[in-house]
Amino acid sequence: GAGVSQTPSNKVTEKGKYVELRCDPISGHTALYWYRQSLGQGPEFLIYFQGTGAADDSGLPNDRFFAVRPEGSVSTLKIQRTERGDSAVYLCASSHTGPSAANTGELFFGEGSRLTVL
Amino acid sequence: ELKVEQNPLFLSMQEGKNYTIYCNYSTTSDRLYWYRQDPGKSLESLFVLLSNGAVKQEGRLMASLDTKARLSTLHITAAVHDLSATYFCAVAGGSQGNLIFGKGTKLSVKP
Repeated sequence: GAGVSQTPSNKVTEKGKYVELRCDPISGHTALYWYRQSLGQGPEFLIYFQGTGAADDSGLPNDRFFAVRPEGSVSTLKIQRTERGDSAVYLCASSHTGPSAANTGELFFGEGSRLTVL
Repeated sequence: ELKVEQNPLFLSMQEGKNYTIYCNYSTTSDRLYWYRQDPGKSLESLFVLLSNGAVKQEGRLMASLDTKARLSTLHITAAVHDLSATYFCAVAGGSQGNLIFGKGTKLSVKP
């Protein structure tokens, strides 16, 4: 697609449930990022993929959070045993990486998935 | 650990006035980005600054980068209501490509 696509756009779940959020990056972008944004705050880094592997997962808050990108394109962020504090907008971004002049490191963001844990 | 601070966090301006938003960061980096976010929307890239002394302009907005001072500015000239939004700066740090964001500056331009 033309831009980063995220589904669902809204998810309401109950405390303790399992949630999956999906991200489809811009075609050809090898790097994919997950951020979390709470109300009134800046995006907080969670994890970054280069291809299929997680290059940096230092932002994942605890082991309830996990993300995969098995074929180097679509990624899924998985949250187990959700807590009310997990409520936020989860943003996915992708970027072009490589030695070409197009590699500015600029991230292109999707519209986000708003997660509400009741 | 890279920290990014923006000020002010809230800015109420009158149309036609000028103002500057500041972005300071704590460790060496030569890549800085400015994004705009409208309420309920995602982040839109405004400027990419990739070297010391870089200056970019688009319409009423101009961004600059001083890597020695670890400072970027976003200058608003003759503000109009359409510029009302939250502006974030982000600095490349940590792993390659990872961006660390400031808390944002919420700009409100009033007639």
